Amino acid sequence: GAVVSQHPSWVICKSGTSVKIECRSLDFQATTMFWYRQFPKQSLMLMATSNEGSKATYEQGVEKDKFLINHASLTLSTLTVTSAHPEDSSFYICSATPGEGNTDTQYFGPGTRLTVL
Amino acid sequence: GEDVEQSLFLSVREGDSSVINCTYTDSSSTYLYWYKQEPGAGLQLLTYIFSNMDMKQDQRLTVLLNKKDKHLSLRIADTQTGDSAIYFCAEKGGGFKTIFGAGTRLFVKA
Repeated sequence: GAVVSQHPSWVICKSGTSVKIECRSLDFQATTMFWYRQFPKQSLMLMATSNEGSKATYEQGVEKDKFLINHASLTLSTLTVTSAHPEDSSFYICSATPGEGNTDTQYFGPGTRLTVL
Repeated sequence: GEDVEQSLFLSVREGDSSVINCTYTDSSSTYLYWYKQEPGAGLQLLTYIFSNMDMKQDQRLTVLLNKKDKHLSLRIADTQTGDSAIYFCAEKGGGFKTIFGAGTRLFVKA
């Protein structure tokens, strides 16, 4: 149980285009989903926290107009990188928790590698 | 602020035990986690420990927690080549966020 999927697993796009990444919890309802960015050989950087039906909470330094997050249902959150540039190239990972509160463990998706040419 | 630190590399021979260490600063940590990341993949939860526990064992994995020193370790017994990966220590404190360490790269030599 507690499987999280991401789609696509990798994407290559041209500079200036927008890219949407989906994160789905397959066998549980995720009240909260997290979006992370990981640079090569570095740890995960939390970008934003999203709760179903409400606006995402962005971490300091993360542009909310650049990285649009929609948590439309209890099993789906999307991250849209708008007007992507080469510096947005990274590994994006989502995670989901089955319920509210501080005690729930995060289950991670397999990640999406974005390359912007 | 909250911080989690780990050594960056560890190299062991196949069959030996691996011990990966982690220190954290948040004294209000409630849960501490170990995640494994293989190349090009997301994070896989290996194990976790409540802050009121000293030790947890799960097959080849043993987690030790010294809450006084804010030190967490992961021991992998009989390390195999398939254990080669990056291991992340993480802690969840009073807030909603989970704080991750930079990850320890484990190299297992055959």
